[in-house]
Amino acid sequence: EVQLVESGGGLIQPGGSLRLSCAASGFTLSTYWMHWVRQVPGKGLVWVARISEDESGTIYADSVKGRFTISRDTAKNTLYLQMHSLRAEDTAIYYCARDRRANNFDFDYWGQGTLVTVSS
Amino acid sequence: DIQVTQSPSSVSASVGDRVTITCRASQDVSNCIAWYQQRPGKAPKLLIYDASNLQGGVPSRFSGSGSGSNFILTISSLQPEDFATYYCQQTHSFPLTFGGGTRVEIK
Repeated sequence: EVQLVESGGGLIQPGGSLRLSCAASGFTLSTYWMHWVRQVPGKGLVWVARISEDESGTIYADSVKGRFTISRDTAKNTLYLQMHSLRAEDTAIYYCARDRRANNFDFDYWGQGTLVTVSS
Repeated sequence: DIQVTQSPSSVSASVGDRVTITCRASQDVSNCIAWYQQRPGKAPKLLIYDASNLQGGVPSRFSGSGSGSNFILTISSLQPEDFATYYCQQTHSFPLTFGGGTRVEIK
């Protein structure tokens, strides 16, 4: 059974850093393109970042470019989102999601989400 | 960036009703549209990909149509478990973008 489990969210002060993790099971992370999507509670979905299966391709939303880094640990079958210089507008539930098929960019499995709150 | 606009933002309907939700892209995206269902407190669930293909395990009362810039999600006979928020997403180009959502409420 495919599962994605996020962790690492919490309350962080503006300007701080946080690393989110997404542990995958039931499939090999390195054979799929993976994404992070965020959602302000009660609001819509916003795509954040993507990593290709061979890590040669990462791409980011303009709002996080230069501050966030998507990566993966093949041995741990885990996806990461390293976030720096956090702002109040980064407050959201962060979901990891699996690309249904490489180069399709729709998401067939999602984690349950982890809440990041940026506030002093 | 490709803007994606959904309408209506909310709809009230009864069990058994036919519900249609419209999604419009700001440019031609071919058939590169996906539809998701999100229940409160849960992650989104993929319903339709490539505009009209039903994801495995999704009931056949859900269907998608359209191409170019205009797309429709249809629920043929609304069931109690279908009361949720629905999002369309363009999968044509980065940055990937979602519509604002359509909340389907009980009348």
